Amino acid sequence: ETGVTQTPRHLVMGMTNKKSLKCEQHLGHNAMYWYKQSAKKPLELMFVYNFKEQTENNSVPSRFSPECPNSSHLFLHLHTLQPEDSALYLCASSHLPGGSSTDTQYFGPGTRLTVL
Amino acid sequence: QKEVEQNSGPLSVPEGAIASLNCTYSDRGSQSFFWYRQYSGKSPELIMSIYSNGDKEDGRFTAQLNKASQYVSLLIRDSQPSDSATYLCAVNGRSGGSNYKLTFGKGTLLTVNP
Repeated sequence: ETGVTQTPRHLVMGMTNKKSLKCEQHLGHNAMYWYKQSAKKPLELMFVYNFKEQTENNSVPSRFSPECPNSSHLFLHLHTLQPEDSALYLCASSHLPGGSSTDTQYFGPGTRLTVL
Repeated sequence: QKEVEQNSGPLSVPEGAIASLNCTYSDRGSQSFFWYRQYSGKSPELIMSIYSNGDKEDGRFTAQLNKASQYVSLLIRDSQPSDSATYLCAVNGRSGGSNYKLTFGKGTLLTVNP
């Protein structure tokens, strides 16, 4: 595996379900990110982890719970979601924790989530 | 609120023409700028980055940056149907403290007609 991988690629869940999204980066990076991409809206940053420590929570509802056990793995635990949470969830990684003026983010393929 | 503005398009150009994509940003302290290409149903793919005023060329792509005008553009020469995608402009600036944060525009949909 190379780059940034995400599983599952597609997920359909009911509002009472609990599911998790997984992201793994094989680039030796130290920062990982969760983004949400909804139709007609720009990518929205959700969470940032630097060296597996959360450094940013962009006012995300508590029904989204991130977990970063190490610098290579990132999870997003989902529970009691709403239909408006249906979107493409993208994981990204970059080399420098906290970023820098030139740090570049690389994206995984995303998980297409549908909440019924 | 830091903003990145792009014309949503669609921008339609004939094959072989030059496609010009524009982006403006509100945070004057922004320091680096990126163009990502996103095919329908796929994730964003980095195609260009630019940090200094002026032009940066990479193959058929040229990024242009004017920090005084808070404007960044992407030119695609000899456009091909395979260039048809949504192009996202992203601007890197401080999010508070010492950390940086990427802010994305909504993207411009480019269609290259054979």
